[in-house]
Amino acid sequence: AQSVTQLGSHVSVSEGALVLLRCNYSSSVPPYLFWYVQYPNQGLQLLLKYTSAATLVKGINGFEAEFKKSETSFHLTKPSAHMSDAAEYFCAVTFTGNQFYFGTGTSLTVIP
Amino acid sequence: NAGVTQTPKFRVLKTGQSMTLLCAQDMNHEYMYWYRQDPGMGLRLIHYSVGEGTTAKGEVPDGYNVSRLKKQNFLLGLESAAPSQTSVYFCASSYVRALAPSYNEQFFGPGTRLTVL
Repeated sequence: AQSVTQLGSHVSVSEGALVLLRCNYSSSVPPYLFWYVQYPNQGLQLLLKYTSAATLVKGINGFEAEFKKSETSFHLTKPSAHMSDAAEYFCAVTFTGNQFYFGTGTSLTVIP
Repeated sequence: NAGVTQTPKFRVLKTGQSMTLLCAQDMNHEYMYWYRQDPGMGLRLIHYSVGEGTTAKGEVPDGYNVSRLKKQNFLLGLESAAPSQTSVYFCASSYVRALAPSYNEQFFGPGTRLTVL
């Protein structure tokens, strides 16, 4: 089965600390990977996407993610957490462009 | 541009009642999707459409029907609501890039919070 797994449903970091949110996928074909952010009572917004052009992808708000085929991973990072980063983060994958599969989400808390 | 809009924002139903959720997009996107979001389960695809007049089942289609009579609208129907359908429903749309392989992100609406008593 092709799917995506997010390790850690809740992550807490101090303001100014490194943010690392994990995403692993399982696939027998090349995936297209996405990270979305959801603020309370809102829809999802795209942070960044990997479509095979470059393995290190830079997104909005200082986030970036690196595609590692050998580890089947697409972890999301940000060097320095800000209070405004507190939100739910979803990793998603598509193989056909028709159907997208989402992870179960990681809730990020930023401690002042 | 309004992007993706959803109507209504909130709704409370009694078991057995029916309702239709409306999704509209003004970006001329070909693809449209309906998801449900439940705690700890992420987003699960209910139905999707790759063009006007076409629909397909997703991961959790049972109890739902959809229609795409116009390119800009995608309707989700619940014929006989059940408490298990209490959820937040999100509509999304995406465009088709002419050159493959390159898949495009989805644009999401603000969601509809549905409670079935």
